[in-house]
Amino acid sequence: QSALTQPASVSGSPGQSITISCTGTSSDVGTYNLVSWYQQHPGKAPKLLIYEVYKRPSGVSNRFSGSKSGNTASLTISGLQAEDEADYYCCSYAGSSTFVVFGGGTKLTVL
Amino acid sequence: QVQLVQSGAEVREPGASVKVSCKASGNTFTGYNMHWVRQAPGQGLEWMGWINPNSGGTNYAQKFLGRVTVTRDTSITTAYMELSRLTSDDTAVYYCARESGGNSFDPWGQGTLVTVSS
Repeated sequence: QSALTQPASVSGSPGQSITISCTGTSSDVGTYNLVSWYQQHPGKAPKLLIYEVYKRPSGVSNRFSGSKSGNTASLTISGLQAEDEADYYCCSYAGSSTFVVFGGGTKLTVL
Repeated sequence: QVQLVQSGAEVREPGASVKVSCKASGNTFTGYNMHWVRQAPGQGLEWMGWINPNSGGTNYAQKFLGRVTVTRDTSITTAYMELSRLTSDDTAVYYCARESGGNSFDPWGQGTLVTVSS
């Protein structure tokens, strides 16, 4: 059982927007603005999409956006494209004892 | 642009140990913590620990305490992750990843498959 809870799967049609939730606790997501999101295509290493809740690294499309409310962080993908079909993981800093927790991952299907 | 290149796939018997390497290109090796994350087949990501390449200081996930050791050799800009007392549950792809802004991980190594089987 992962420390952060994500839906197992989401789907959307090309051009639509989808949102993936990531629910933690007051010990991680709720306390620290250190939530990051990763995209992973089959057989590939994860790729950083969002850090510090909403910041995008250079080169990441602005179709990807992040937000947080209370103990839940969210990743929104707008203008869905076929290449967005992948697994998505959230991650949060969880203090100096636990340090890092990941979500269980969400499989995005582009219909 | 930093790149992380990991060692090749390994096969071990139960009870054995494995050591995976992660070589960083560029001259910023000591400036960023290096983390290790694993992914069992069909499963999610699991954080294992990190090392501060400058000081050698480490921090491990509770689950792996006593079984995992992360080290580094600054002269060859390489980090290592050794996992002992392997069981079939340790069969996974092991990734190294450099800590980036806000405790995020970027870039990642290509991954090393470790298979534990008798």
